[in-house]
Amino acid sequence: AQKVTQAQTEISVVEKEDVTLDCVYETRDTTYYLFWYKQPPSGELVFLIRRNSFDEQNEISGRYSWNFQKSTSSFNFTITASQVVDSAVYFCALSVSGGSNYKLTFGKGTLLTVNP
Amino acid sequence: SQTIHQWPATLVQPVGSPLSLECTVEGTSNPNLYWYRQAAGRGLQLLFYSVGIGQISSEVPQNLSASRPQDRQFILSSKKLLLSDSGFYLCAWRTQGNNQPQHFGDGTRLSIL
Repeated sequence: AQKVTQAQTEISVVEKEDVTLDCVYETRDTTYYLFWYKQPPSGELVFLIRRNSFDEQNEISGRYSWNFQKSTSSFNFTITASQVVDSAVYFCALSVSGGSNYKLTFGKGTLLTVNP
Repeated sequence: SQTIHQWPATLVQPVGSPLSLECTVEGTSNPNLYWYRQAAGRGLQLLFYSVGIGQISSEVPQNLSASRPQDRQFILSSKKLLLSDSGFYLCAWRTQGNNQPQHFGDGTRLSIL
């Protein structure tokens, strides 16, 4: 069975601070896929990034960056120079290849509040 | 491009009344479809998924049912709502394939009185 842990329930920062959201996963599958989603106050979940287990390259997209480390089973998300619009709940998720690839295992989410 | 429509956006229903929430996807064919519920505690609970027309799998026993009468239509129903059915309901779709992400609708906020 798969498991995703987001130990940080809530984080509060002041605008322009950098913030890292932690994600630790568990799976016995050797091929798997990791995702991050953003859920702003309006409610819809927005897909941010996907990372395959065989690709450990970190990724940067504007102020967002992701650090994937298989050795520690972590897929952390950093927002640089945070802005009020970054305030949302962020979910990390995991899926595996093969017959169960349709299912996403979600973490419980981290509520990020960016104060002006 | 693909889009997902979910309605209504909000709904207030009395206990014991029926429910029908609809979700449609445009711009793709044979998607996987999903219904999730999100309670106030933020966790996402998968209720149903479908890999094809008429194929429905239930993840948790409950008062709800789902149907997929057409390739890109997914309906969540109940004959008699319970107070515990209150929550935020999200529909999602994905292209079939190992590494495909799910894409979510805007959600329906359901309040049971």
